[in-house]
Amino acid sequence: KAGVTQTPRYLIKTRGQQVTLSCSPISGHRSVSWYQQTPGQGLQFLFEYFSETQRNKGNFPGRFSGRQFSNSRSEMNVSTLELGDSALYLCASSETVDSRDYYYEQYFGPGTRLTVT
Amino acid sequence: AQKVTQAQTEISVVEKEDVTLDCVYETRDTTYYLFWYKQPPSGELVFLIRRNSFDEQNEISGRYSWNFQKSTSSFNFTITASQVVDSAVYFCALRTGFQKLVFGTGTRLLVSP
Repeated sequence: KAGVTQTPRYLIKTRGQQVTLSCSPISGHRSVSWYQQTPGQGLQFLFEYFSETQRNKGNFPGRFSGRQFSNSRSEMNVSTLELGDSALYLCASSETVDSRDYYYEQYFGPGTRLTVT
Repeated sequence: AQKVTQAQTEISVVEKEDVTLDCVYETRDTTYYLFWYKQPPSGELVFLIRRNSFDEQNEISGRYSWNFQKSTSSFNFTITASQVVDSAVYFCALRTGFQKLVFGTGTRLLVSP
C-alpha cells in the first residue's frame, strides 16, 4: 500500500496570505489527523477527522481549519498567515474498524514545510 | 490531563553501545495506549510500537526492546548495539479514548561511528 502523501512538500508564503495543505491517507484509512511541529513547541495536535466529521480539535486559533472529503482525503487551511505559523505540518492516518479506533497507531506523511516571510 | 515526559533531550553514543530512551506518562484513565515513533532527518515520523495499558509484557523486535511498567508509569525504549542509522529523534506518545494523541518533547539520539 502507498503511504500517506502530502502536497506540497515545501511552501513559502507571505504574512497575511492563506494556504491550503493537502493529505491523502493510506488506502482504507478513514481517520486523518493533523499536527504542527516547531522547534519551540514540539508536536502539537491540530485536528482529527473521521468519516468527514471533525472528531477532535487542538488549541489553535480559528485561522486554522480543516475538512475531510468522502474519499478520506483531507485539507487544512490557514488564513491570515503569521510568522509563527512557519512549521512542519504533518498529516497522519489510521486504520478504523469502527468509530472506536483510538487504539490504532497513526501513520505519518512526510509533511509540508511551510515558511512564512 | 494527559502528559508525556521525555527528560533526555539529547543522547550521544558510539556505535555498538546500548542506549535506553526514557518515557514517563501521566493519565487518570485505566485504558490507554502508548506509542513510540522515530523521526529521522528526513522528517517523516515512523511508527515503531504500540502498547495498550492491559499488556505489560515487554517486547523485543530485533535490536529494539520496550519495557512497560505501569507501577512507575514508564515505557522505556532500548536500542541494543546501536548503529549510525539509529540517529534520529524519538518520540513517545499517549492516547486515551477519543482524546488527542499527546507527544513527548522527543529525545535526539546521535550515534557516532
